[in-house]
Amino acid sequence: GAVVSQHPSWVICKSGTSVKIECRSLDFQATTMFWYRQFPKQSLMLMATSNEGSKATYEQGVEKDKFLINHASLTLSTLTVTSAHPEDSSFYICSAPPTGVNTEAFFGQGTRLTVV
Amino acid sequence: QKEVEQNSGPLSVPEGAIASLNCTYSDRGSQSFFWYRQYSGKSPELIMSIYSNGDKEDGRFTAQLNKASQYVSLLIRDSQPSDSATYLCAVRYGGFKTIFGAGTRLFVKA
Repeated sequence: GAVVSQHPSWVICKSGTSVKIECRSLDFQATTMFWYRQFPKQSLMLMATSNEGSKATYEQGVEKDKFLINHASLTLSTLTVTSAHPEDSSFYICSAPPTGVNTEAFFGQGTRLTVV
Repeated sequence: QKEVEQNSGPLSVPEGAIASLNCTYSDRGSQSFFWYRQYSGKSPELIMSIYSNGDKEDGRFTAQLNKASQYVSLLIRDSQPSDSATYLCAVRYGGFKTIFGAGTRLFVKA
């Protein structure tokens, strides 16, 4: 089956620095990818839709200047958390949409971000 | 705003029993429904997908969909301690955007 690879799986950074998370589709092309965030004991919240070759679409309440999304190729989307603060510490997961109507989406392994 | 509602639990069942997880959704036009299992610190793992009214069985798992009632459920038969996890109900909308419920924590007692 299709594989989505996310890197890194965990990262610790200092407050005020920026962190980049990569999401790659390994054996298929994805013109769209989704980025989710999950706080402890909460569900996955959709942050934004990454669109290859165009601007990302952000969900209500998500700061686009803080969470920069770049989808420069058909196999790579990146999420950069800029000027990270402790409250940005969370589990970030990317997802590639299904290849057909009645098929499932594919999730990356997730990235645990801890801002200290 | 599109919503997916689940009872957060925790739901506790003895080993070998049937665990019943429920989910309701707000958008009547939704066509695709999923149940994911998530262990702490891990990415969600697809358990079942269902696209039409009725039941769909896969091993110990049965998904049930009732579009008229906007209701999806997951039954786990012969529950095992390894089934202890958080179960996320997910609904796909137009443009392949997927919205998740808050998840139900299941504990299976040995």
